[in-house]
Amino acid sequence: SQKIEQNSEALNIQEGKTATLTCNYTNYSPAYLQWYRQDPGRGPVFLLLIRENEKEKRKERLKVTFDTTLKQSLFHITASQPADSATYLCALFGSARQLTFGSGTQLTVLP
Amino acid sequence: DTGVSQDPRHKITKRGQNVTFRCDPISEHNRLYWYRQTLGQGPEFLTYFQNEAQLEKSRLLSDRFSAERPKGSFSTLEIQHTEQGDSAMYLCASSFGGRTLMGDTQYFGPGTRLTVL
Repeated sequence: SQKIEQNSEALNIQEGKTATLTCNYTNYSPAYLQWYRQDPGRGPVFLLLIRENEKEKRKERLKVTFDTTLKQSLFHITASQPADSATYLCALFGSARQLTFGSGTQLTVLP
Repeated sequence: DTGVSQDPRHKITKRGQNVTFRCDPISEHNRLYWYRQTLGQGPEFLTYFQNEAQLEKSRLLSDRFSAERPKGSFSTLEIQHTEQGDSAMYLCASSFGGRTLMGDTQYFGPGTRLTVL
């Protein structure tokens, strides 16, 4: 069955360090993958999209990689700040013609 | 505010009652999505509209759920005979897209939190 797994339910890091979040998937052939940020009580906010033929995408302090051989995406936040604390969701768009989300990783950046 | 809006933000109802939620998408967006999210999980796709046509429905969407987008603008999601298992956050999202869904960036509303007692 199709499955999306995001690493550990919670990740704590020190301010200034790089946060790395993992999204692994099985039994998908996604055309593209997206990362969203969600704050408590709010809807997800789109951050980055990476297509199957792209290896890496950057936006300011954010970087996403996409390895279709390993079936994995890594999401990096460099020079992390307490304001980056949130839940980060990866989502795949594949043959089902709909976005399927992982369960998210809760990131806490400690001052 | 020109983002996606949802109404109400919170709804408490008793089991067996019917509830209806409204979503107003970003005005130029032709696509509208409904998702359900429970605590500790990511959003689960429920249904999708392109303009007024409902093009996709999840197997999760039981016969008690119905969604409409009559004029291709706002949408409503109705749940009949609510059950405690329906308690969740119901999220609406909208996007603008062409013939395919490739590269579709969805903009989410704040959600409606439903509690069924």
